[in-house]
Amino acid sequence: AQRVTQPEKLLSVFKGAPVELKCNYSYSGSPELFWYVQYSRQRLQLLLRHISRESIKGFTADLNKGETSFHLKKPFAQEEDSAMYYCALSRGSQGNLIFGKGTKLSVKP
Amino acid sequence: DTEVTQTPKHLVMGMTNKKSLKCEQHMGHRAMYWYKQKAKKPPELMFVYSYEKLSINESVPSRFSPECPNSSLLNLHLHALQPEDSALYLCASSQASGANTGELFFGEGSRLTVL
Repeated sequence: AQRVTQPEKLLSVFKGAPVELKCNYSYSGSPELFWYVQYSRQRLQLLLRHISRESIKGFTADLNKGETSFHLKKPFAQEEDSAMYYCALSRGSQGNLIFGKGTKLSVKP
Repeated sequence: DTEVTQTPKHLVMGMTNKKSLKCEQHMGHRAMYWYKQKAKKPPELMFVYSYEKLSINESVPSRFSPECPNSSLLNLHLHALQPEDSALYLCASSQASGANTGELFFGEGSRLTVL
């Protein structure tokens, strides 16, 4: 079965602390994974994808096929990182995405 | 223009009404999507249009009827809805082929309330 699991509904850290948002997936083929973010009162937007292997706003995510994970990490959290983060898996071609349930990140001053 | 525009932002309708949600993008994307998002839940795919043709219907009830009149517009026609259909309806677009098909650009959504 195709599935995306984000085990934490809410993650609260202090400014400057490292943050890791967990994502595990289940997919029989070669997975294509994404992190989407939704800041308060803004639309859902792409943060990063595993294919590009880039760092956006200091966030990185590495696909670990052995552990079927795609955790999102940032060494030093900022208050402006507070948002809802969704891990998503592409089911084949096009934007046929399965979203995880999301993790709400709260960065406290 | 890198935005997906949805209208109306809010809609309240009765169970016997007929209404439509509209979505527009001018990014040259040839894939467009309808997602449904209930409160505190992730978005769930409803329909995918690719090159103005319906390519995916995620077993959505027929009271939801999508339409793609041209490459920039996507409509969702609503008829005889149920209160449980109340949700935020998100439109999105992307390239239809190539490496960027998973990069979706979302609209702000139309919040639908069915009385």
